[in-house]
Amino acid sequence: DSGVTQTPKHLITATGQRVTLRCSPRSGDLSVYWYQQSLDQGLQFLIHYYNGEERAKGNILERFSAQQFPDLHSELNLSSLELGDSALYFCASKTSGGPSTDTQYFGPGTRLTVL
Amino acid sequence: GQNIDQPTEMTATEGAIVQINCTYQTSGFNGLFWYQQHAGEAPTFLSYNVLDGLEEKGRFSSFLSRSKGYSYLLLKELQMKDSASYLCAVPTMDTGRRALTFGSGTRLQVQP
Repeated sequence: DSGVTQTPKHLITATGQRVTLRCSPRSGDLSVYWYQQSLDQGLQFLIHYYNGEERAKGNILERFSAQQFPDLHSELNLSSLELGDSALYFCASKTSGGPSTDTQYFGPGTRLTVL
Repeated sequence: GQNIDQPTEMTATEGAIVQINCTYQTSGFNGLFWYQQHAGEAPTFLSYNVLDGLEEKGRFSSFLSRSKGYSYLLLKELQMKDSASYLCAVPTMDTGRRALTFGSGTRLQVQP
């Protein structure tokens, strides 16, 4: 158990819908990262927040957005869902907000299925 | 940007030794990570190398050669539970090295 929690574990929804994924980092960690893992794309970085502020963006679609709240939990919002958005969504946390010389710890993931 | 190459699949026998290779291309090297991921589960941290050489941690060791852009993960005394994907990753330059760029992973199957 990494100490990172994610809810829900599974989510099944229809195309065009909107969903929210939630992540709570390890105690003491200020950084939260979101990654998407699909069968054909591998693990891809989406977005990074540190202490409530966005710090880096990866290949995140405009239909996706995220935020980190004062209690440091983070939410990833996915809207106008398409079949291709079906994937495992992981969040990871680490202590610092700087370069990744310290380990990122991954949560158990949310499996999103879009029908 | 970054480019990471790993073999897609490997098979080995229980009790044996296996070496999983990773080659990378990145400007401004800042270390290399290895993660283990069982199917449908979270990646879990195995090792971090920033200097050349071999680092040993129990049954798992990781080697780095910065001049060759090369790393390997060595797994000894293989157990059935070692059947998993092994992901090599480097900090992503475009994100100020904050995020990680992962290779596609090597799926290791351990056979009895």
